[in-house]
Amino acid sequence: DGGITQSPKYLFRKEGQNVTLSCEQNLNHDAMYWYRQDPGQGLRLIYYSQIVNDFQKGDIAEGYSVSREKKESFPLTVTSAQKNPTAFYLCASSSRQAYGYTFGSGTRLTVV
Amino acid sequence: AQSVTQLDSHVSVSEGTPVLLRCNYSSSYSPSLFWYVQHPNKGLQLLLKYTSAATLVKGINGFEAEFKKSETSFHLTKPSAHMSDAAEYFCVVSVTGGGYQKVTFGTGTKLQVIP
Repeated sequence: DGGITQSPKYLFRKEGQNVTLSCEQNLNHDAMYWYRQDPGQGLRLIYYSQIVNDFQKGDIAEGYSVSREKKESFPLTVTSAQKNPTAFYLCASSSRQAYGYTFGSGTRLTVV
Repeated sequence: AQSVTQLDSHVSVSEGTPVLLRCNYSSSYSPSLFWYVQHPNKGLQLLLKYTSAATLVKGINGFEAEFKKSETSFHLTKPSAHMSDAAEYFCVVSVTGGGYQKVTFGTGTKLQVIP
């Protein structure tokens, strides 16, 4: 079945470390997105990519970086510059032809 | 510009009673509208979508929503709540331009179902 796979499901990071969250899709979707979810704040867009080797900052890109070397993959790195990284991170994808997003099951990142 | 407002952050209903989750939107262009459901520690699942066809949209699990342009609303309803409906629900507005979507999420409504 086609879908989006996020890994790991839970991730713990020490202060000052960079960590990378994986997002892979086999839906042949052109566009991919990273959202951060905090309680009571809904979803906030971190980065998005509409085609391979191109990506744009969303509303809260500071302290994050991404790459899009393959259509199927859109990894997110949470750098040490992100001061409050503890959150639930959701990856999504969409195609030009269809409406709406397909979401992954999320990664919960906790700073310890 | 576009925006979406979910009028209630929390809704509590008794099992077997109707559910109403309210959503208002604004958009300079003809929007597509969606409702997603999220269970704890899970991703978002699409419940239903409006894309300029019939204004009454039926979704999964007995949910439906009506697009009312004059009221700029897209409220989600279900005749009879089930315990498994307890989750957070997001209203989403999307405008497509140049082949790509501009998507805005509401802040979510948590639905509690009381036995």
